[in-house]
Amino acid sequence: AQTVTQSQPEMSVQEAETVTLSCTYDTSESDYYLFWYKQPPSRQMILVIRQEAYKQQNATENRFSVNFQKAAKSFSLKISDSQLGDAAMYFCAYGDNYGQNFVFGPGTRLSVLP
Amino acid sequence: EPEVTQTPSHQVTQMGQEVILRCVPISNHLYFYWYRQILGQKVEFLVSFYNNEISEKSEIFDDQFSVERPDGSNFTLKIRSTKLEDSAMYFCATIRTSGIAGEQYFGPGTRLTVT
Repeated sequence: AQTVTQSQPEMSVQEAETVTLSCTYDTSESDYYLFWYKQPPSRQMILVIRQEAYKQQNATENRFSVNFQKAAKSFSLKISDSQLGDAAMYFCAYGDNYGQNFVFGPGTRLSVLP
Repeated sequence: EPEVTQTPSHQVTQMGQEVILRCVPISNHLYFYWYRQILGQKVEFLVSFYNNEISEKSEIFDDQFSVERPDGSNFTLKIRSTKLEDSAMYFCATIRTSGIAGEQYFGPGTRLTVT
C-alpha cells in the first residue's frame, strides 16, 4: 500500500521569504501523480500543484514549485515570496496512474509571519 | 469555473440518527469520491464510485455507510446510525475521467457534528 509522509507538522516563514515543505512517499508503481493541496481555515481543499511521475521536469505554478526526486521518492513544495494568504495546512497527496486512489499525508501547518 | 458543491455546510445530529450528505459533482465528471477528515487529522479515503457502483472502499466504510446517485446528479453519503466518532469534515471529490486528466476536484466539505 502507498504511504505519504510529511515530517514537518508545523513550519513558519517570514512574509516575502521562501519556504520549503517536505514530503516523501512510498510506492511500487512507476506511473502515478503527486499533488499538494492547501487547506485554509475555511477547511476547503484547494489544489496547489500537481506532478506526473513520468515527467522529469518539476512542476511550477506561479510562486509555487516542486522538487520531484523520483528515485528518492521525495516531493517537496517551495513557496517563494510568501504571502499572509499562504498560511494554511498543506497536504501532500499521492494518486495512482488513473489519478484516483488518493493517499494523503498528515499535513504541515504553515504560518506566515508579517 | 465549474465546481463541486456540497450541502449542508454544517450538520448537527444526535448519536444514533441517520444523516445524508449531498454532493453535486461537476457535470461531465464520471468518478466520485468521499473523504473524511477528523478535526486535526489527515484526510482519509472512504469510497469511490463509478458507473453507479462502488469501485473501491476503505476499512472505514463499514455497513453504517452507503452511497448512491439517486437522480443522476446528486451523489450522496448516508450514515445510518451516527456515532460520536463520525464527527468530521466530509469531502466529496470528483474527476472527469481516469488517465491523464489526473486531478480530483474537491467540494467545500460538510462539517458533521454528532452529539
